[in-house]
Amino acid sequence: DQQVKQNSPSLSVQEGRISILNCDYTNSMFDYFLWYKKYPAEGPTFLISISSIKDKNEDGRFTVFLNKSAKHLSLHIVPSQPGDSAVYFCAASVVNTGNQFYFGTGTSLTVIP
Amino acid sequence: DAGITQSPRYKITETGRQVTLMCHQTWSHSYMFWYRQDLGHGLRLIYYSAAADITDKGEVPDGYVVSRSKTENFPLTLESATRSQTSVYFCASRGGGGARNEQFFGPGTRLTVL
Repeated sequence: DQQVKQNSPSLSVQEGRISILNCDYTNSMFDYFLWYKKYPAEGPTFLISISSIKDKNEDGRFTVFLNKSAKHLSLHIVPSQPGDSAVYFCAASVVNTGNQFYFGTGTSLTVIP
Repeated sequence: DAGITQSPRYKITETGRQVTLMCHQTWSHSYMFWYRQDLGHGLRLIYYSAAADITDKGEVPDGYVVSRSKTENFPLTLESATRSQTSVYFCASRGGGGARNEQFFGPGTRLTVL
């Protein structure tokens, strides 16, 4: 039973435009959320995170939004660049029970030059 | 080399064979993790370890064995490989300080069980 879902397997965006990647979760106990980026033949690398006490966290071109009532988070990339082409995973955890991250199935982003 | 490494990067084995995937990190991180990545499932936690000699099951532990005699190493063993264990395996580590700390992933091992 997938507790974290990314319903769009792929997304294509023109260079310079906004990319919006979505993630839904079912467990209301999740209180910490992360986005990871993965290039082919490499391991995932951390991109940005957000605690459930916030509804927005920004880091340069990347912004994560959290809507707790909808159990939904999204990653915005503005402006999108060809180097952003990768698979993006969202992940969630319950901080106090500690150690397990639950990952979504990933969204493959292609930024077209 | 600093960081987290996995070996081998690619492995082909036969059903019923034992195979061990190695993971080594140089940061002295307390926590280490094993994930498998499959189409339609994303990354799923197999086992994790909070410190040397302390291990615990994740989401999909059946058919796997782990050990952690040294902080820097966390091998994953498939005692009798099955075709359903064909996957890409990622090792990860993080320091202490709680689950807010990011996990650092190795480059992965692609395992094929024939």
